[in-house]
Amino acid sequence: KNEVEQSPQNLTAQEGEFITINCSYSVGISALHWLQQHPGGGIVSLFMLSSGKKKHGRLIATINIQEKHSSLHITASHPRDSAVYICAVRNYAGNNRKLIWGLGTSLAVNP
Amino acid sequence: DAGVTQSPTHLIKTRGQHVTLRCSPISGHKSVSWYQQVLGQGPQFIFQYYEKEERGRGNFPDRFSARQFPNYSSELNVNALLLGDSALYLCASTPSDRGSGELFFGEGSRLTVL
Repeated sequence: KNEVEQSPQNLTAQEGEFITINCSYSVGISALHWLQQHPGGGIVSLFMLSSGKKKHGRLIATINIQEKHSSLHITASHPRDSAVYICAVRNYAGNNRKLIWGLGTSLAVNP
Repeated sequence: DAGVTQSPTHLIKTRGQHVTLRCSPISGHKSVSWYQQVLGQGPQFIFQYYEKEERGRGNFPDRFSARQFPNYSSELNVNALLLGDSALYLCASTPSDRGSGELFFGEGSRLTVL
């Protein structure tokens, strides 16, 4: 079982729909990142969370530390939101300050 | 202000060759991390450097090495290339080596090994 699990793996939505992507993790973390990767590679950091909720434009990210769960919401989705959304957690294992990555959620928003 | 820059953006090598990938972090950032992303999979952590010292290493063979320079730029070196090394290599910079920093990624270097 992966230490970071995302659901769904693939998601297709119609323009304007409200979208939720979930991330659950099983390790202790210092921070959780939501990132976006468009076809061709480049990764953009959307949010970094350690508690509560953050909002940026149409994107909202929440985290529940006790339940080890985070959600990324997209309101009024648009075709340009089509991308892979990745959840990654910052876990301290000794001196290894690595990120543990989810496998990503591939989102397609149809016009 | 320039973001994280990586070079080259694309390159093709043959098995057994050596490759050097370069990364310049955002000005003021002292930590650089390297990731390998094979097509269809999530990124895999390779190395983290902070203040020219290795702070983390992923599960990669010794053919992979890296270093960080006094100006905080970094190089990732891969020797004796294998077909399976074909991937997108991503560099991320953060202000420090603590877990509280936001990540900034370069566009990546896409390596194809023939």
